[in-house]
Amino acid sequence: GNSVTQMEGPVTLSEEAFLTINCTYTATGYPSLFWYVQYPGEGLQLLLKATKADDKGSNKGFEATYRKETTSFHLEKGSVQVSDSAVYFCALRGGDQGGKLIFGQGTELSVKP
Amino acid sequence: GAGVSQSPRYKVAKRGQDVALRCDPISGHVSLFWYQQALGQGPEFLTYFQNEAQLDKSGLPSDRFFAERPEGSVSTLKIQRTQQEDSAVYLCASSSDGYTDTQYFGPGTRLTVL
Repeated sequence: GNSVTQMEGPVTLSEEAFLTINCTYTATGYPSLFWYVQYPGEGLQLLLKATKADDKGSNKGFEATYRKETTSFHLEKGSVQVSDSAVYFCALRGGDQGGKLIFGQGTELSVKP
Repeated sequence: GAGVSQSPRYKVAKRGQDVALRCDPISGHVSLFWYQQALGQGPEFLTYFQNEAQLDKSGLPSDRFFAERPEGSVSTLKIQRTQQEDSAVYLCASSSDGYTDTQYFGPGTRLTVL
């Protein structure tokens, strides 16, 4: 069945460092891919998405490119801020499994000043 | 409404008690999803409604779990005879179209079963 695997955390970075959080997936059909973020004390929020191969999603300085050849959707940001500290979830919505989202286990990011 | 709301935000139950968790989706959203998030894990799908029809309940872990959305708006997730393994955050999400649109999540209900 469909699944998502993302790098384990926690990830600790200094402010202005470069961020990569790896995400790979297994899916049948043509899934859409998502990154959700959960800030402390808040609900899940959509960060960015890509619906087909080679699409790049971007938002708030974060980017991720849908790579079908490597079944990956890695999250990147060139210069992180303390306010980016949160838990990041990679997810997919399978083209053949209705609208339900399948999530990775989450990666906690802590950015130090 | 402005967003998805859930109540209660926190619920403590003794093992064996029944609980009911409520979700108010964004007004006009046709699709509603329930997810269960265990501590330190990603959310896992429980069930999906389109209007009042429950189209997918494949994620419900046992027959103790029951969900309804009788008028196609508010939904209730009921757990009967709660067990300690039911302790988790229960998330509700809604979208205007379950297949293609963004799912907007509520803040969740944290259930602790003692």
